[in-house]
Amino acid sequence: NAGVTQTPKFQVLKTGQSMTLQCAQDMNHNSMYWYRQDPGMGLRLIYYSASEGTTDKGEVPNGYNVSRLNKREFSLRLESAAPSQTSVYFCASSEQREGRGEQYFGPGTRLTVT
Amino acid sequence: GDSVTQMEGPVTLSEEAFLTINCTYTATGYPSLFWYVQYPGEGLQLLLKATKADDKGSNKGFEATYRKETTSFHLEKGSVQVSDSAVYFCALRAYNFNKFYFGSGTKLNVKP
Repeated sequence: NAGVTQTPKFQVLKTGQSMTLQCAQDMNHNSMYWYRQDPGMGLRLIYYSASEGTTDKGEVPNGYNVSRLNKREFSLRLESAAPSQTSVYFCASSEQREGRGEQYFGPGTRLTVT
Repeated sequence: GDSVTQMEGPVTLSEEAFLTINCTYTATGYPSLFWYVQYPGEGLQLLLKATKADDKGSNKGFEATYRKETTSFHLEKGSVQVSDSAVYFCALRAYNFNKFYFGSGTKLNVKP
C-alpha cells in the first residue's frame, strides 16, 4: 500500500516551458487535491477534485490546469512556467463519504523555474 | 469563512522541555480538527485528530483537546526530543465538506 505517490520528485524548468506533475493514490479515495507550499506561506490550495469527473478551483489556480484522469490519478499541468511558480507541490487525497476523515499527503515535487 | 490561526515560530526549546503550540479556529458547524507534522524534505503526516467537542487526540506523546467553547486545539507534549524538530500544522475540515483549511505552520527546533 503506497498511499499517495508523486512524480517527479525534483524538476527544473526554464520560463515558458510546460510540464505535468503526476499524482496517484491507492486508497480508493474520492477526493484529491493539489497544494503549493512556499516559505512562510503555509499550504495554498491550487485545485481540488471532490470526485471522479469533477474539479474546482482553489485559492491560487491561475497558471495551472488539472485533470482527474480516473479515481486514482489527478495531474497538475503548468502550460507556461513562470519563476513565481517555483515552489514545492503536494498532492493529497481524502475519503469523501466519511465526512470527517483526514487528508493523506504525497512526498512532494520540488519545482524550480529559472 | 473557515480559517485556522496558529502561533508563529520558530519555537526553540531544550530537550525535555514542555511544548505548547497554540491553534484557534473559525468554522461554522462542527469541524474535525487535525495536527500534521512535516519533517525536512518530506510531505505532511497526520500526527493526531479530533472529530467532536471535548475529544482528545494523542499520538507519540503529543496531545490536543478539541475545545468548542474557546474554538481552540492547542498541541502539547510534556517532554520534547531532538527528533521532534519539524514544522507543525493545525488544520480543520468542515463537517461533510471536502475542503481543508491549514494554519501557516510553526517550526519547532529542539536543542540537545
